Amino acid sequence: SQQGEEDPQALSIQEGENATMNCSYKTSINNLQWYRQNSGRGLVHLILIRSNEREKHSGRLRVTLDTSKKSSSLLITASRAADTASYFCAHESYGQNFVFGPGTRLSVLP
Amino acid sequence: DADVTQTPRNRITKTGKRIMLECSQTKGHDRMYWYRQDPGLGLRLIYYSFDVKDINKGEISDGYSVSRQAQAKFSLSLESAIPNQTALYFCATSDGSSGVNQPQHFGDGTRLSIL
Repeated sequence: SQQGEEDPQALSIQEGENATMNCSYKTSINNLQWYRQNSGRGLVHLILIRSNEREKHSGRLRVTLDTSKKSSSLLITASRAADTASYFCAHESYGQNFVFGPGTRLSVLP
Repeated sequence: DADVTQTPRNRITKTGKRIMLECSQTKGHDRMYWYRQDPGLGLRLIYYSFDVKDINKGEISDGYSVSRQAQAKFSLSLESAIPNQTALYFCATSDGSSGVNQPQHFGDGTRLSIL
């Protein structure tokens, strides 16, 4: 299977703390995306990072990509209760469809 | 109104029944996808379509079929449902006009239970 892995599977933090989630994959990629899923809802796209990029920012989100280690990380700074959700990475290899990881469940406690 | 609409949102049925899940979109995207989500496994691709005349199998297409009735409509069928097809099913769309994969837009899912 080409499915990647996410680490940790679950993460619980206090409001205001930073949350870091990691994603690893097995093949060469064209780009990698991060999605959020609130309970009972569909996935929502957060950030796309291309293979020639090392870091991207969007508001309180920071994504890094290390193609030599085949890994990516998502950092959420100053977390809020509303950030409670599952977070998924999805990587795309050239000419292939996206492959989603199993996700990280983030709980932000007030 | 939702850009990607799935119907029904919930369905309980019996083994052996034929089931159709429907997806419609107002985003004008050419690419549409069906995924299933199981606890701990993330999303797995069942079928995808890059335009009305294009249908492709994904990672786990056995036991499923699809129909792309129009650019805006993509339905998933289970010809003879079995209990291990109990899962959360998602439809997604993306814009393929640039020739490269773009972010996907998801519906809110259909929770399917097969007894």
